[in-house]
Amino acid sequence: QVQLQESGPGLLRPSETLSLNCSVSGTSINSASYYWGWIRQPPGKGLEWIGSITDYGTTYNDPSLKSRVSISVDTSRSQFTLKLSSVTAADTAVYYCARQYLRSFDFWGQGTLVTVSS
Amino acid sequence: DVQMTQSPSTLSASVGDTVTITCRASQNISPWLAWYQHKPGKAPELLIYKASNLRSGVPSRFSGSGSGTEFTLTITRLQPDDFATYYCQLYDGYSIYTFGQGTNLEIK
Repeated sequence: QVQLQESGPGLLRPSETLSLNCSVSGTSINSASYYWGWIRQPPGKGLEWIGSITDYGTTYNDPSLKSRVSISVDTSRSQFTLKLSSVTAADTAVYYCARQYLRSFDFWGQGTLVTVSS
Repeated sequence: DVQMTQSPSTLSASVGDTVTITCRASQNISPWLAWYQHKPGKAPELLIYKASNLRSGVPSRFSGSGSGTEFTLTITRLQPDDFATYYCQLYDGYSIYTFGQGTNLEIK
């Protein structure tokens, strides 16, 4: 079955770069049918889309995050990666990776908590 | 940017009730509207995609409808397992995805 699993450090200092990997199994990461996305949920708040990468490597991200977001895919390792630079306390959240199909997010990782604190 | 307004923010209901949650977009987004159920400590689960398509395995008590700028999620015959937070999510047709503010469905 389709499974996604996030991994990465759980604690960052302000101004550091957040780097999270999402390992994908049970589905082809280079299929033309799917995109791959990152979503987060700050404590006590709702879901926020961060960005996505298409099957041909084009990336899109939430305009509010401007140029801080970078998303890439490593097809040889069946994983995709989120980098978010210059983090602040406002970036503290549970981060989810997800598969996208027909413009919705149909399979999700379990989520990983990232805390930004000095 | 396309704005999304989800209502109500909180909904109190009893087992067996029928409830409706609404999302309104600031411009036409048909058919790119999805609905999710989210429980604490778990990943969100897709319920409905393309406004009215029930995801395989989701009970038929869940249904989605709407077009253009107004969309609804209806849950009939509420079960104890249905009490959770529900989110709508749009795609603007270009490159941006937006989630609604969420509706906390609680037991009355």
